[in-house]
Amino acid sequence: DTGVSQDPRHKITKRGQNVTFRCDPISEHNRLYWYRQTLGQGPEFLTYFQNEAQLEKSRLLSDRFSAERPKGSFSTLEIQRTEQGDSAMYLCASISPATGGYNSYNEQFFGPGTRLTVL
Amino acid sequence: AQSVTQPDIHITVSEGASLELRCNYSYGATPYLFWYVQSPGQGLQLLLKYFSGDTLVQGIKGFEAEFKRSQSSFNLRKPSVHWSDAAEYFCAVNTNAGKSTFGDGTTLTVKP
Repeated sequence: DTGVSQDPRHKITKRGQNVTFRCDPISEHNRLYWYRQTLGQGPEFLTYFQNEAQLEKSRLLSDRFSAERPKGSFSTLEIQRTEQGDSAMYLCASISPATGGYNSYNEQFFGPGTRLTVL
Repeated sequence: AQSVTQPDIHITVSEGASLELRCNYSYGATPYLFWYVQSPGQGLQLLLKYFSGDTLVQGIKGFEAEFKRSQSSFNLRKPSVHWSDAAEYFCAVNTNAGKSTFGDGTTLTVKP
């Protein structure tokens, strides 16, 4: 399977615990995005990387959230001291550069998501 | 800042009937527009995209969408709906960084 993969698919945790999610993008894609999707809403942008560099973070990404992409391949998203409001689906997507560089119409390939439930 | 509005939260159609899902966007520059479909518990699958050229774009699974700049709309259509089309549909607009702003989605129910 050469698609975007995410692990775990489901995570149940108690309030106050730390959790970490992993995303493996398509191998030749050097741009990677994280989104959060709550029930009844569309995905909301959290952050993105080009190779190992984190280029933008949304205001949604509080200081309890941290994302890394240490070798420019897989990425991790960690949430510290989880709160019930963190319960959501966390989606990862990757894109490859079009000829001549990135453009707004590059297709994003999404992983299946990690569903987090905070009790 | 860009935004996307999907006015219909939920739509029900009979199998074999035609379908139109509405999408309105707000973006200062040339919009790059997408429609995705999401089945329960799954990620997003791209149906089609528009960035220039012919304003009527064809996608997978028999879907098409029409870009109307004057109305800031990018409505999704299908002439004959199948039961397997039941899912949630999201319209999105991209920025130059490639990140997407999504609408809140329309849930499609298909009656037999």
